Amino acid sequence: GNSVTQMEGPVTLSEEAFLTINCTYTATGYPSLFWYVQYPGEGLQLLLKATKADDKGSNKGFEATYRKETTSFHLEKGSVQVSDSAVYFCALSEGNFNKFYFGSGTKLNVKP
Amino acid sequence: DGGITQSPKYLFRKEGQNVTLSCEQNLNHDAMYWYRQDPGQGLRLIYYSQIVNDFQKGDIAEGYSVSREKKESFPLTVTSAQKNPTAFYLCASSPRGGRITDTQYFGPGTRLTVL
Repeated sequence: GNSVTQMEGPVTLSEEAFLTINCTYTATGYPSLFWYVQYPGEGLQLLLKATKADDKGSNKGFEATYRKETTSFHLEKGSVQVSDSAVYFCALSEGNFNKFYFGSGTKLNVKP
Repeated sequence: DGGITQSPKYLFRKEGQNVTLSCEQNLNHDAMYWYRQDPGQGLRLIYYSQIVNDFQKGDIAEGYSVSREKKESFPLTVTSAQKNPTAFYLCASSPRGGRITDTQYFGPGTRLTVL
């Protein structure tokens, strides 16, 4: 079946530190991969996506590369800010009705 | 501005009552979805609709019902049969129902509390 596994949080970093949030997936077909961000009390916002192997999605300094050989889509940012504090969800889309499978989310706390 | 609206933001319900959550989109998207989010967990799919007048059960449809009479609207009813309805409910839409490359866009959510 299809599933997404994310590293457990919370992840606590100091401002300007390097961020990595690990995401691995299992898929029966050839999925698209997504990272979403959720701020407290709000809905999910798309952060970035990649739709084929070796694609790199990027947005607002965040990057993730679709690695088919390791079935991974790790999220990285070179220098985090306090405003990046949120919950990050990795997701895959697969199947004939665009069903999404979400990881359990990783909470990021960035301290000044 | 195009987007997805959900109302109300907070909803309180007494046990045994049905309640309807609103979801409206003006993005001209064909597909719409309802998810449930519990604290510290990912999203679970309740129902989805790929086109007007058609919808399908997701992974946790028991105790919920939906309708899709208009392209822009996809209301969710939480019935008294849902044993543990307190949760954060998220509505989403995507341009088409069958393209895995399509992004799902989310509304701001409704927090339902059963008293």
